[in-house]
Amino acid sequence: EAGVVQSPRYKIIEKKQPVAFWCNPISGHNTLYWYRQNLGQGPELLIRYENEEAVDDSQLPKDRFSAERLKGVDSTLKIQPAELGDSAVYLCASSLQGLGNIQYFGAGTRLSVL
Amino acid sequence: DAKTTQPTSMDCAEGRAANLPCNHSTISGNEYVYWYRQIHSQGPQYIIHGLKNNETNEMASLIITEDRKSSTLILPHATLRDTAVYYCIVPLSSNTGKLIFGQGTTLQVKP
Repeated sequence: EAGVVQSPRYKIIEKKQPVAFWCNPISGHNTLYWYRQNLGQGPELLIRYENEEAVDDSQLPKDRFSAERLKGVDSTLKIQPAELGDSAVYLCASSLQGLGNIQYFGAGTRLSVL
Repeated sequence: DAKTTQPTSMDCAEGRAANLPCNHSTISGNEYVYWYRQIHSQGPQYIIHGLKNNETNEMASLIITEDRKSSTLILPHATLRDTAVYYCIVPLSSNTGKLIFGQGTTLQVKP
């Protein structure tokens, strides 16, 4: 069974440029999460989807970050414009409905903003 | 979430048992303890969870004290591939998916 797939694995951009990350969750997993992990820290939740609905986006910086999960499967996280402080690893995870505390993570996208 | 406290780092000899402690003195009666680990350059990986009874799976064992204020994750025969950051998490409520990762314990397994 394929795990959570994220792309790209690495992205280097200049500040003020836009960037997008893509995530394909495990088949059948209704719940999808986006996390940000700064160097030396644990992951922090940005947004959680139940199917196509964002049910918790309280930690998403909405001035520059946006996310979507059309059709309740794949998801895209976008930053526009990127700032130097956005350099981090962006992780996607998915879980079965009703088992949200057992999450399966992708390998992440490492973003460097220059 | 109940606050958890873990040592910053630990070492373990390859082939020996690794015992990783976690304090969660403010845990309430219906809150579970979850353990994840994160190997370098990978996403976190779920290991095990428990409420009050000891639990064992193919990856590890989880020992929870009777008063539930602390727990220990046991890797019975640590290998070099077990070198990782280990996170002990007590979510606010069951299955909300709201996991708060702290700093975790960096386990270094040495040959």
